[in-house]
This record gives sequence, C-alpha cells and structure tokens, in this order.
Amino acid sequence: GENVEQHPSTLSVQEGDSAVIKCTYSDSASNYFPWYKQELGKRPQLIIDIRSNVGEKKDQRIAVTLNKTAKHFSLHITETQPEDSAVYFCAASSLVLLGNEKLTFGTGTRLTIIP
Amino acid sequence: DSGVTQTPKHLITATGQRVTLRCSPRSGDLSVYWYQQSLDQGLQFLIQYYNGEERAKGNILERFSAQQFPDLHSELNLSSLELGDSALYFCASSVGPIRTDTQYFGPGTRLTVL
Repeated sequence: GENVEQHPSTLSVQEGDSAVIKCTYSDSASNYFPWYKQELGKRPQLIIDIRSNVGEKKDQRIAVTLNKTAKHFSLHITETQPEDSAVYFCAASSLVLLGNEKLTFGTGTRLTIIP
Repeated sequence: DSGVTQTPKHLITATGQRVTLRCSPRSGDLSVYWYQQSLDQGLQFLIQYYNGEERAKGNILERFSAQQFPDLHSELNLSSLELGDSALYFCASSVGPIRTDTQYFGPGTRLTVL
C-alpha cells in the first residue's frame, strides 16, 4: 500500500522567513496530494492541494510543488506569520481499484513561527 | 466552519464500555470518512461510507463499527473500550466516493477512556 513520509517532524522559522515541508510517497499511481493545517485542538483544514497533471500550484503565500518522477511533493510558505504556527499534514491518494483507494497521511510537521 | 458537524465534542468513559460518535456531513456530500488521531500522531483512516454503503476499510479494529443512515449522517460505534482507544476521532465528508475528492473535516470528538 501507499507509504507517505514527511520531513521534518518539527520546524522553527523566524517570522518573515520561508518554511518548506517535504513529503515522499511510494505509490506511483498516486494522483492527488492535499495539505492540511491543524491548529492545536482543532480540525484539520485543507489549505492547498495539487493533482498529478500540474507541477506547481500557488495560493498567496502558500505553494505546493510536485515531482512525480521522484515521487515527492513539498509545501512552501513564504513571509511566515505567527498564525502559521500549526501542525501540517501532507497526504497522497490514488485511484486504483474500486474500494482500494486510499488517502494516506504523513506523520505531520509541527511548525513554529518565532516572532 | 467546514459544515461537517460531530457530536459529542468530548466523551469520558471507562474501559469495557461502549460509545457512539455521530457525524453529519456537509450538505450535498455523500461520503463520510472516519479517522483516529492519537496524541501526537497522524491521522489514521478507519472507514469510509458512500451513500449508505461501506466503501473502504482502513485500520479499523473489529471492536469498532460504523454505519451511514438514509439521511447520510454516520455513527461510529466503539465497544469494549481500552485505554489505548483514547484519541481524537474525526469524521470528514466529500461530495463523491473517491478519495481524490476534497475532504472536509469535522471538529472532532475527544474520547478519553479511564
């Protein structure tokens, strides 16, 4: 089955600097890669996603890049702000066989923005 | 607010007991997913229902079961509870049956087993 690895597990960044979180996946059939942000005690919230027909997607200060050959994708946050502090989860999903699809989550990155 | 609701917000119970968690999906969503998140852990997929029928199973224990009703709300039943079942339980919903549809999470139910 799909295996998603996420690095780093913790990341501290000075306010205003950029943060990068990387994920690798094992199933070459994966074609959907969402990123979720989870603040302490709250629900995971989708912040951006990318599908396998594009290599990069940007939404204001957040961007995601996808390298299908290397089977990795990354989340980039620029001009970080204190409210960016949270746990970020990557995930990968593949559409293979009916009933055999799976959204597999990475283990999360705890991002701390230092004022 | 994602539009997905879950009740109760908190649940405290004893080992050996049985509890039921409830989830109402966003209006128009036919799929409901259940996830377990233990302390400092990622999200473990448990089970998915689509339009009333089981669609896919993940790492769900035999002591756990779920169902989706005609009005599309779903319930997760946890029985013979153990200390290790203490966790946040999230449900998520999406429009269609496939996992590449965007999933929206509910606020979660925090289960504490004493």
